[in-house]
Amino acid sequence: NAGVTQTPKFQVLKTGQSMTLQCAQDMNHNSMYWYRQDPGMGLRLIYYSASEGTTDKGEVPNGYNVSRLNKREFSLRLESAAPSQTSVYFCASKWGKYNSPLHFGNGTRLTVT
Amino acid sequence: GQQLNQSPQSMFIQEGEDVSMNCTSSSIFNTWLWYKQDPGEGPVLLIALYKAGELTSNGRLTAQFGITRKDSFLNISASIPSDVGIYFCAGPTIIQGAQKLVFGQGTRLTINP
Repeated sequence: NAGVTQTPKFQVLKTGQSMTLQCAQDMNHNSMYWYRQDPGMGLRLIYYSASEGTTDKGEVPNGYNVSRLNKREFSLRLESAAPSQTSVYFCASKWGKYNSPLHFGNGTRLTVT
Repeated sequence: GQQLNQSPQSMFIQEGEDVSMNCTSSSIFNTWLWYKQDPGEGPVLLIALYKAGELTSNGRLTAQFGITRKDSFLNISASIPSDVGIYFCAGPTIIQGAQKLVFGQGTRLTINP
């Protein structure tokens, strides 16, 4: 029972490089989310997808794009990485019900030099 | 947007001690969620609270949904080394017509054996 799977686990990029963070869930959840975690800031929402075919901006969307490829997969793309995007990125999913809890992946630790 | 304020930000305790932490908001929440993040992993749901005044336990953990609906508390009794980690409170809210989950900044718990 994999839950939410993120790849890669670690990545180092140079400023200006691009990359895509992958996320897949096997729980048949409707909603998927991308958060970033920085020291002392908690978890901040980057983008989310309430259901297949829809995506919306969160608190900190600048510099990112997302694709809800199908119900299982939700990818996060950095087109031109910047040092300010050094962070730990978490993908999460949940049922569509308003107060249902999130299930998180184990994160991708990204360093931009 | 709505913010959740957690305190304390960090705690250093001896093994066996009890732990108390809380989360407050300027706005009303209808659900409070408590997550724990182990080092190098994603947050995992500990307890979900759905009704004002509700007191729920999960082993040595007890959480309460404040009567005012603007706060929640998490207590850990007789702490053990595996309790080390970051504890987050979270609550679902509607921002700009969309449902989102907001997180507190986290309480980092360190235990001295």
